[in-house]
Amino acid sequence: GEQVEQLPSILRVQEGSSASINCSYEDSASNYFPWYKQEPGENPKLIIDIRSNMERKQIQELIVLLDKKAKRFSLHITDTQPGDSAMYFCAASDGTNTGKLTFGDGTVLTVKP
Amino acid sequence: EAAVTQSPRNKVAVTGGKVTLSCNQTNNHNNMYWYRQDTGHGLRLIHYSYGAGSTEKGDIPDGYKASRPSQENFSLILELATPSQTSVYFCASGHRENERLFFGHGTKLSVL
Repeated sequence: GEQVEQLPSILRVQEGSSASINCSYEDSASNYFPWYKQEPGENPKLIIDIRSNMERKQIQELIVLLDKKAKRFSLHITDTQPGDSAMYFCAASDGTNTGKLTFGDGTVLTVKP
Repeated sequence: EAAVTQSPRNKVAVTGGKVTLSCNQTNNHNNMYWYRQDTGHGLRLIHYSYGAGSTEKGDIPDGYKASRPSQENFSLILELATPSQTSVYFCASGHRENERLFFGHGTKLSVL
């Protein structure tokens, strides 16, 4: 099945700077790449997603880039705020459109004031 | 906002006992999923379902069964619980493939 590697596992940045999280996948047929944010004690919530027919998507301070040839995608948070501190997960779909998502192991982001 | 409700929120079980985790969604979503979350492993798919009466094996199904008696309800069953199944379990629902998943608030299971 699909494998997703996510790096770094821990990320600390200064408030106002940018944060970047990188993921790679193995199945070239994967076509859907969501990102979820999970605050302590809470459930994961979708923050942004990108499909294989796009290379870049932006929602406010969130930017997702997809490089299908390299099988890599990344999340960039610009102008980070303390409220961005959380666990972030990337995921990749099953290439057979079963709806199965394979998640990365997560990145703990801490934004220091 | 779509609602997914899990019960119980916390459960302590004994080794060898039977555990049933329940999930209910009122969103009329076709697809439902059970994931477990362990430190260092992210979210791993145990079982999923495309609709009432359907269950499919995910990536780590061993030691678990699933039941989808209706569109709204999806249960995860541990027939013989083991300490290695101590984890946080999340149920999720989605309208169709490759669309947003809505997660419940999780069940923290401890098997002693």
